[in-house]
Amino acid sequence: VQLEESGGGLVKPGGSLRLSCGASGFTFSDYYMAWIRQAPGTGLEWVSYISGSGTYTNYADSVMGRFTISRDNAKNSVSLEVNNLRVEDTAVYYCARVPIQGPGVYYFDSWGQGTLVTVSS
Amino acid sequence: DIVMTQSPESLAVSLGERATINCKSSQSVLYSSNNKNYLAWYQQKAGQPPKLLISWASTRESGVPDRFSGSGSGTDFTLTISSLQADDVAVYYCQQYDSLPTFGQGTRLEIK
Repeated sequence: VQLEESGGGLVKPGGSLRLSCGASGFTFSDYYMAWIRQAPGTGLEWVSYISGSGTYTNYADSVMGRFTISRDNAKNSVSLEVNNLRVEDTAVYYCARVPIQGPGVYYFDSWGQGTLVTVSS
Repeated sequence: DIVMTQSPESLAVSLGERATINCKSSQSVLYSSNNKNYLAWYQQKAGQPPKLLISWASTRESGVPDRFSGSGSGTDFTLTISSLQADDVAVYYCQQYDSLPTFGQGTRLEIK
């Protein structure tokens, strides 16, 4: 299993980015995928997940209405559109796989190296 | 949201000695219909992403050394490293997945 994130960068408050994660080494469409973030020097915060088909999504309250997760199973990729960014969204954003094929069990068995999003004026 | 609280925040243990990290959830993560605890443990070394060590409170992932073990049920859980190695220096996190995922704040493990 390999996951590789891209798309991070420096953005002003209120700005937007599109984070992407390419996956390989497994049947991508069979698995839920998730984004988890880690602010500098702090702990982990789950951000969003999406079902294998893309039908079901969910978000942490802190990003609801501002972030949108999507996936392209033909390209083995999952994306996170991050809008109306705030200083407190500054973090490394990790893409991760949910190992159980089906809803209701959301832990993460494979992680990418992460992409850094910095929100600053 | 279920709040996960780890203790201690940091821990220094001598090489070869036992290290114990505790994790407490604000409500039970034991799912009665299957008698499984929805609790995972991760290890994060400096500059690296987290690595899954244990799921279902006590099931070690493939390739994880058997010096790592998880125990507990309901609201109280423990990660034990039976004989600390230098390679175990890291921050350890617990995570519940009984509801929307939440993580503990982390425990930093160092060599004494």
